[in-house]
Amino acid sequence: TQLLEQSPQFLSIQEGENLTVYCNSSSVFSSLQWYRQEPGEGPVLLVTVVTGGEVKKLKRLTFQFGDARKDSSLHITAAQPGDTGLYLCAAVENQGGKLIFGQGTELSVKP
Amino acid sequence: GAVVSQHPSWVICKSGTSVKIECRSLDFQATTMFWYRQFPKQSLMLMATSNEGSKATYEQGVEKDKFLINHASLTLSTLTVTSAHPEDSSFYICSASLAGARYEQYFGPGTRLTVT
Repeated sequence: TQLLEQSPQFLSIQEGENLTVYCNSSSVFSSLQWYRQEPGEGPVLLVTVVTGGEVKKLKRLTFQFGDARKDSSLHITAAQPGDTGLYLCAAVENQGGKLIFGQGTELSVKP
Repeated sequence: GAVVSQHPSWVICKSGTSVKIECRSLDFQATTMFWYRQFPKQSLMLMATSNEGSKATYEQGVEKDKFLINHASLTLSTLTVTSAHPEDSSFYICSASLAGARYEQYFGPGTRLTVT
């Protein structure tokens, strides 16, 4: 069974601070996605990374796919209260095609 | 584009009754839809994969007779929770993937089910 280990699971920071969330696996994936979910809503796709070593930026969010395509990170610069939410990494299982999720990172940014 | 809706957004039902949740892809055709269950502050757990016109594939430990899934068209899948119990109370989320782009799933807004 392929697993995605996400860390940290909880993060509480002050507005303006930087943070990094990690998503690691012992398996190689063809692609990996990051989602953000707010309470009472479904996850919203932020980005898909496909190429090993790829870096994508979405305003203050920087996503990186590891060279070996086994891990990924999400870095947020100058976090704002609006960044608060559950961040999920996910990848398509190599056999079966199901989307597997990390445990999630609950981020709270205090003003 | 790629909008998925769910109805209802929340529902309260009594123990022993059945409740149906609809998942629709509004602006695209979805050959595959997925049903997830999520507990507070936890990640999503896949319940079943639904392919249009065929029987759903259930994950291990998910009772197919309790969670009935129907995918009658390319834009609609339904999940029926039969003989609901309080432990079935949860947040149910569906997703749909574009034909040929199975690795990207678009999620509905979720349905909060409370069984009293």
